[in-house]
Amino acid sequence: AAGVIQSPRHLIKEKRETATLKCYPIPRHDTVYWYQQGPGQDPQFLISFYEKMQSDKGSIPDRFSAQQFSDYHSELNMSSLELGDSALYFCASSFIGQAILAKNIQYFGAGTRLSVL
Amino acid sequence: GEDVEQSLFLSVREGDSSVINCTYTDSSSTYLYWYKQEPGAGLQLLTYIFSNMDMKQDQRLTVLLNKKDKHLSLRIADTQTGDSAIYFCAETGGYQKVTFGTGTKLQVIP
Repeated sequence: AAGVIQSPRHLIKEKRETATLKCYPIPRHDTVYWYQQGPGQDPQFLISFYEKMQSDKGSIPDRFSAQQFSDYHSELNMSSLELGDSALYFCASSFIGQAILAKNIQYFGAGTRLSVL
Repeated sequence: GEDVEQSLFLSVREGDSSVINCTYTDSSSTYLYWYKQEPGAGLQLLTYIFSNMDMKQDQRLTVLLNKKDKHLSLRIADTQTGDSAIYFCAETGGYQKVTFGTGTKLQVIP
């Protein structure tokens, strides 16, 4: 079965550079979530999109932005990178549909490991 | 706010059962999950349970939910060395973000 695809798998950047992470959800999934996992930490929610609209926002720095495109893939744009941005970035997708009480089973990609030097 | 807590470390002998515990505070949690993360790898969804259930069994995995006490456990029967990983308990209240616990590192001793 198709899974969530993230690219690139690894990314090395220098301070103050920009980075773009991509996420391709499972086919027919309408919701995408971004999480950041620092070394030895649990994943922390950044932002989510449902049907191409931002649906929730977590601890995402103002230097970061994201969007979901018409084909449901999503990109996380990170500018003015700092050393503390080094982490594993996960994308997850789920199918919410029109359900009031949605069966929100989130499937995660393998992650993008960002190293800021 | 939401808070999910787990013990940090568990060590078991190969062939024994492992029980990983989790407590959460959000009474509106709809789904509770167990994810497995091997070193340097992604998050693998192991199993999940809906909040109106109290038990779910899937092969070697048994999930128990005590909604009154907000306590979730994962039992792994016949634990193997390949089960060594970090196990995250997580919860969500519907279409919302998943809130993860701190993770329990399971070490399986041959």
